[in-house]
Amino acid sequence: DIVLTQSPALAVSLGQRATISCRASQSVSTSSYNLMHWYQQKPGEQPKLLIYDASNLASGIPVRFSGSGSGTDFTLTINPVQADDIATYYCQQSRELPPTFGSGTKLEIK
Amino acid sequence: QIQLVQSGPELKKPGESVKISCKASGYTFTDYAMHWVKQAPGKGLKWMGWINTYTGKPTYADDFKGRFVFSLEASASTANLQISNLKNEDTATYFCARGRQLYYFDYWGQGVMVTVSS
Repeated sequence: DIVLTQSPALAVSLGQRATISCRASQSVSTSSYNLMHWYQQKPGEQPKLLIYDASNLASGIPVRFSGSGSGTDFTLTINPVQADDIATYYCQQSRELPPTFGSGTKLEIK
Repeated sequence: QIQLVQSGPELKKPGESVKISCKASGYTFTDYAMHWVKQAPGKGLKWMGWINTYTGKPTYADDFKGRFVFSLEASASTANLQISNLKNEDTATYFCARGRQLYYFDYWGQGVMVTVSS
């Protein structure tokens, strides 16, 4: 299985930029797609899709969320961070079955 | 609007069975796969498998073969997850999630907390 590695936590100040990284144990890109996706999960809630195919904003997601990367290294950026963004963020790959998730990065306010 | 509404929390004893439902609305049920994802308390997300809502064919991840069954009530736009011979380690929240062609999940149910305790 492809292993996705995320830092456990990130502390940022409100109004600043948050950069959350995800590293895959092998490439999750094809010639056509970068098969990395990002979700936000608040306590007691279901995950919400933020970004699909590395850089495409999901429906209804604010433009202060963005994604980038290819191969094995991917980034989710939130700029500027708002109080409502406090949550755990998961990356997920779909290059190979089974789809796997990172262990999550908890975004905290400094 | 698109919604996946799951059944309520369950408290079961080891060895018992549980059936969880996921009712979809706001889209054509058979146009999208339904996936199941497990989240143990305080832990991350683990993909369990998926069911083809058009053919009814299930596919299980390796760790979920044997005691786990995905099924459909297509006429009711509902997907079900049944777990038999429950174990303590099955204590978790189980999510259904609508799957897109490239195996990402664009809509999620609210989750069902299953607690297994003697």
